[in-house]
Amino acid sequence: EIVLTQSPGTLSLSTGERATLSCRASQSVGSSYLAWYQQKPGRAPRLLIYGTSSRASGIPDRFSGSGSGTDFTLTISRLESEDFAVYYCHQYGTSPPHTFGQGTKVEIK
Amino acid sequence: EVQLLESGGNLVQPGGSLRLSCAASGFTFSSYGMSWVRQAPGKGLEWVSVISGSGSDTYYADSVKGRFTISRDNSNNALFLQMNSLSAEDTAVYYCAKGAGGTRSPYVYWGQGTLVTVSS
Repeated sequence: EIVLTQSPGTLSLSTGERATLSCRASQSVGSSYLAWYQQKPGRAPRLLIYGTSSRASGIPDRFSGSGSGTDFTLTISRLESEDFAVYYCHQYGTSPPHTFGQGTKVEIK
Repeated sequence: EVQLLESGGNLVQPGGSLRLSCAASGFTFSSYGMSWVRQAPGKGLEWVSVISGSGSDTYYADSVKGRFTISRDNSNNALFLQMNSLSAEDTAVYYCAKGAGGTRSPYVYWGQGTLVTVSS
């Protein structure tokens, strides 16, 4: 089973700042098989990025993904008020089990 | 419009069983892999299981293997999760999620979730 470790656990930033979230895998993940989700309290997750760097439909271009192998990054170029939430990475490439990272909370500083 | 509506969550005693359902609409159900993902109170997301569009391939997390069974009824656009030998660790909101394709795909659409509480 591939373990995904996200860092930091919490990111305290202000509106307009840049957010950089990390996801590290215990073994190589095919670049086509890494996704990022946003979740707000009491809501289902929302797909942001799939295939490491492709934005899902309707996702603003301030969200971008990058990486390969075992190291992946979600970047939010300029935080807006609605971006404060918890973010999860997800690998779906190996034969299941598929796995999620433990999440990074982006909070208002 | 894609819609996923889970049902069946309830309070159940340890060792008990429960069957969750997910009613799907707005897409060709049999063409997509479907998954269950759960979230314990205050915790992160945990992948539970996935089933192929035809239903021929199923996969499980180690934590539920041998206790949970995923299935689907393509005639009625429904996804199921049969949960047996439940313990407190299974307490969570259970989401059904639609894959973008087969069993190796991200989850574009999610239901609103159904709460399973395992307690005496």
